[in-house]
Amino acid sequence: DTAVSQTPKYLVTQMGNDKSIKCEQNLGHDTMYWYKQDSKKFLKIMFSYNNKELIINETVPNRFSPKSPDKAHLNLHINSLELGDSAVYFCASSQGAVSSPLHFGNGTRLTVT
Amino acid sequence: GENVEQHPSTLSVQEGDSAVIKCTYSDSASNYFPWYKQELGKRPQLIIDIRSNVGEKKDQRIAVTLNKTAKHFSLHITETQPEDSAVYFCAAGGNRDDKIIFGKGTRLHILP
Repeated sequence: DTAVSQTPKYLVTQMGNDKSIKCEQNLGHDTMYWYKQDSKKFLKIMFSYNNKELIINETVPNRFSPKSPDKAHLNLHINSLELGDSAVYFCASSQGAVSSPLHFGNGTRLTVT
Repeated sequence: GENVEQHPSTLSVQEGDSAVIKCTYSDSASNYFPWYKQELGKRPQLIIDIRSNVGEKKDQRIAVTLNKTAKHFSLHITETQPEDSAVYFCAAGGNRDDKIIFGKGTRLHILP
């Protein structure tokens, strides 16, 4: 069983559309994250939730809205997609404290045309 | 907030030789320093981590050293093998900002 699973694996869409990426972890972890990896491979944190509560919200456009229905799920909804949103989005989870290892999902490659 | 610098951005070493990747961090409150390996098209995976109460940690061919005074830490891979080819990321966390910040990555090529 995949510990952190995200869907879809690939997402191709046009500018202006709205799309969602889903993430689920079965590790029993308290904290979940969204990271964005651009074409240069930079890994940048976007959001972090601890037990369904938002604890980190980086300077991300408000077109990006995370939602955590329970501590095992963290979804990412993106409105009015732009070309610059094209990237690989990784979901991750950790036990709770920031000095805990991150477990990443396999990533969602988003391509905006 | 925390800032993590990583060097070099690309590194080529002959198979069997050692590889060293270096990182510096800015926030003296950081106390957790993981290293991740990302193979082409795959997710980053933790290979080793170190906490600020130790200066060195080793796991088979991989070792990490930490100098808290100078705020830098390094990854050492000995007897490199073709499967070591990947992008390696250092990171720092446990600081007052409550998040893990990644370096920009080092693409390691193992030459036959």
